[in-house]
Amino acid sequence: QEQLVESGGALVKPGGSLRLSCAASGFTFSDFYMSWIRQAPGKGLEWLSYVSSDGHTTLYADSVQGRFTMSRDNAKNSLSLEMNSLRGDDTAIYYCARNRVNDAFDVWGQGTRVTVSS
Amino acid sequence: DIRMTQSPSSLSASVGDRVTITCRAGQTIGSFLNWYQQKPGKAPKLLIYAASSLQGGVSSRFSGSGSETDFTLTISSLQPEDYATYYCQQSYSTPLTFGGGTKVEIK
Repeated sequence: QEQLVESGGALVKPGGSLRLSCAASGFTFSDFYMSWIRQAPGKGLEWLSYVSSDGHTTLYADSVQGRFTMSRDNAKNSLSLEMNSLRGDDTAIYYCARNRVNDAFDVWGQGTRVTVSS
Repeated sequence: DIRMTQSPSSLSASVGDRVTITCRAGQTIGSFLNWYQQKPGKAPKLLIYAASSLQGGVSSRFSGSGSETDFTLTISSLQPEDYATYYCQQSYSTPLTFGGGTKVEIK
């Protein structure tokens, strides 16, 4: 079945860095745009970034622009999110998700927890 | 950025009730509106895309309507498994934005 599995979440100090990964299976990964979305504790959903199917185009929300970098490896069916200069308000569950053709998110991972605290 | 406003933020309803959740966009977005269901500790699940199209495998008691700025998610007959938080999301322009959520609780 179509599946996304995130990994890499951890406790990190403010100003630190972290790399999240997302492994895809059960579908032709290279056909789809992919996104990262996060949810702070007890809060709503925030889209962070997407990458085009060929990996050549990325787009970021202002809240992470310049600090986070999204990339993909279609040969390995994997997605990554490099996060730098982490702050307390980056504390959240981070989901990777598949973009349908109209940018609805039709497949989600289970999420990975990132906590930024000293 | 397009602001998405959901109402109510929470509601209490009984099994079998008809439930309606509203989402308003801060500018016209055509039919680029999607609805999700999220249960505690779980990832969101896509219910409706393009305002009114039912995602595969989703119960037909869920329906969506609306266009431009005003949208509605309707649950025709609330079931125990429908108690959850519901989010709308616009896909008209980036940044892609979500509404604040509507929590549906047991009455």
